[in-house]
Amino acid sequence: NAGVTQTPKFRVLKTGQSMTLLCAQDMNHEYMYWYRQDPGMGLRLIHYSVGEGTTAKGEVPDGYNVSRLKKQNFLLGLESAAPSQTSVYFCALGLANTGELFFGEGSRLTVL
Amino acid sequence: AQSVTQPDIHITVSEGASLELRCNYSYGATPYLFWYVQSPGQGLQLLLKYFSGDTLVQGIKGFEAEFKRSQSSFNLRKPSVHWSDAAEYFCAVGATNTGNQFYFGTGTSLTVIP
Repeated sequence: NAGVTQTPKFRVLKTGQSMTLLCAQDMNHEYMYWYRQDPGMGLRLIHYSVGEGTTAKGEVPDGYNVSRLKKQNFLLGLESAAPSQTSVYFCALGLANTGELFFGEGSRLTVL
Repeated sequence: AQSVTQPDIHITVSEGASLELRCNYSYGATPYLFWYVQSPGQGLQLLLKYFSGDTLVQGIKGFEAEFKRSQSSFNLRKPSVHWSDAAEYFCAVGATNTGNQFYFGTGTSLTVIP
């Protein structure tokens, strides 16, 4: 999935620890999204951004914070991780010219 | 509120058989509709999309979908399934009037038997 890079790909945390997931793009798109994917739940939108310096809440924002200080990067933070945040996290770009989402490969997070 | 329903959690078909995956949506206006496919351990890839115009849309890998406004449906079809089509399929609706948010169904897992 050239153009969208998520780091780290895997991470194991203990309850209460903090961490940041980075989504980096080299495609100059305005819209960026963070989703979580859980079995039987599909993808649920956590937060999104419509441009540099702007962020907005999605369906399930509680327990997460985001920042978009640079257009290329969209960070997802967990200040105090909980087991309920064990999930696979996907970053996506919104392609304005085609109206579709372009996904990264995902980051698997386990909170013990 | 916008929502997407995929009533079939899991479907098994024989290779070469036809396939139809169901998707129903709830949205107050004409939606943007999408089908994505996810192979194990991978991100999602767009199969096809509907914005307006012809209600039968063609996608990659031989898939097609038909938008039926009266039924609020956007079912995915393929006339002859290949073993490589085994994957998870997600229907999604996009809403530009809510900041370009996209809402996904819970997915349908497809198993293809030889």
